[in-house]
Amino acid sequence: DVKVTQSSRYLVKRTGEKVFLECVQDMDHENMFWYRQDPGLGLRLIYFSYDVKMKEKGDIPEGYSVSREKKERFSLILESASTNQTSMYLCASDPGGTGGFGVTEAFFGQGTRLTVV
Amino acid sequence: GQNIDQPTEMTATEGAIVQINCTYQTSGFNGLFWYQQHAGEAPTFLSYNVLDGLEEKGRFSSFLSRSKGYSYLLLKELQMKDSASYLCAVRGAGGSYIPTFGRGTSLIVHP
Repeated sequence: DVKVTQSSRYLVKRTGEKVFLECVQDMDHENMFWYRQDPGLGLRLIYFSYDVKMKEKGDIPEGYSVSREKKERFSLILESASTNQTSMYLCASDPGGTGGFGVTEAFFGQGTRLTVV
Repeated sequence: GQNIDQPTEMTATEGAIVQINCTYQTSGFNGLFWYQQHAGEAPTFLSYNVLDGLEEKGRFSSFLSRSKGYSYLLLKELQMKDSASYLCAVRGAGGSYIPTFGRGTSLIVHP
């Protein structure tokens, strides 16, 4: 059974703290993604990675950075957490690269609900 | 850029049929996905369309018209457990084929 695992289900952090959200996939997928999900706004892409050490900004990268040192692991870093980063964070992966007719659906982790106080 | 529209909320009765629409405007097209997300859980894959027409999978079907930038998800014989958010996502052009998600449609099924 394929799996994307996020390190924490719930987190509470203080304003200004450095926060690490970890994500691991066991499917040897090329692409990995970090989204945040807020009521009324849907899923918004923060960053994605298409290979080890490769990363691209998504739609809302400000205040975040990422790291992908190994293929299976993709970390999201909040350099200095702020209250407007309180959200549900979802990690996902897909095989990537094929496009066209390949059904390359994304598999999601269970999500991390982060509260910044 | 990409723009994906779907209704915010829909309600339906158990046993009925419901159609959730999705319209999109994208720079290039490489497939459209539908995901289901129950409250507090991760989205799970339902269907994929890349060619025009209807794809059927049990009680769920998905339709695509590329010329109209339009898709719908059809749910038949609704059950209470179908109450969830339904996300439309479009994979655009470009080397990374990154999917862009709509804001989701919250479906409430009542007895």
